[in-house]
Amino acid sequence: EPEVTQTPSHQVTQMGQEVILRCVPISNHLYFYWYRQILGQKVEFLVSFYNNEISEKSEIFDDQFSVERPDGSNFTLKIRSTKLEDSAMYFCASSLGAGITDTQYFGPGTRLTVL
Amino acid sequence: AQSVTQLGSHVSVSEGALVLLRCNYSSSVPPYLFWYVQYPNQGLQLLLKYTTGATLVKGINGFEAEFKKSETSFHLTKPSAHMSDAAEYFCAVRSPTGANNLFFGTGTRLTVIP
Repeated sequence: EPEVTQTPSHQVTQMGQEVILRCVPISNHLYFYWYRQILGQKVEFLVSFYNNEISEKSEIFDDQFSVERPDGSNFTLKIRSTKLEDSAMYFCASSLGAGITDTQYFGPGTRLTVL
Repeated sequence: AQSVTQLGSHVSVSEGALVLLRCNYSSSVPPYLFWYVQYPNQGLQLLLKYTTGATLVKGINGFEAEFKKSETSFHLTKPSAHMSDAAEYFCAVRSPTGANNLFFGTGTRLTVIP
């Protein structure tokens, strides 16, 4: 069964460094998402992406964040200058469409630790 | 705006016992409701969802949930817990109009005791 994959599974970085989290969505899906979960808190929506553009973003997704689909398979989340509070589990998801019948399929997550 | 509250970050049940995981939502309009499960080292997997129609929704692995508008609840149940049910369970809502992003609760970790 097709699945969303994410690399790395765990990323440790120093505060102020740039990180890129990578995701490979399901191949025929058109909508892509990033969510994050700070330890002990809710899973929060960050951004959705369709047709090479951001379609929705939350207040969390500020100028420090960017997303890109650099080729036909990868979907990346970049954090330009990491802060301690960026430490979280980051989940990538994809869906075929945006309708209610279109399930969002999630990857296993990347745990980002900022020191 | 939508939000979800999951009561109980950890729930323990004995194998064979009833599983009840609670979810209450807040929404200005009746939302779409979801339960996702996450097994160790895996992604969130959709268990079931409610959109419209029958308020009792059946999902995979013997789970079901009932949408109760008057109680703004969408509790997840399973009559008899199995060891393989041990996982983290997330309730989520989505607006029926507009953006398709999901709003999640904090999750409930289910432990099944043999």
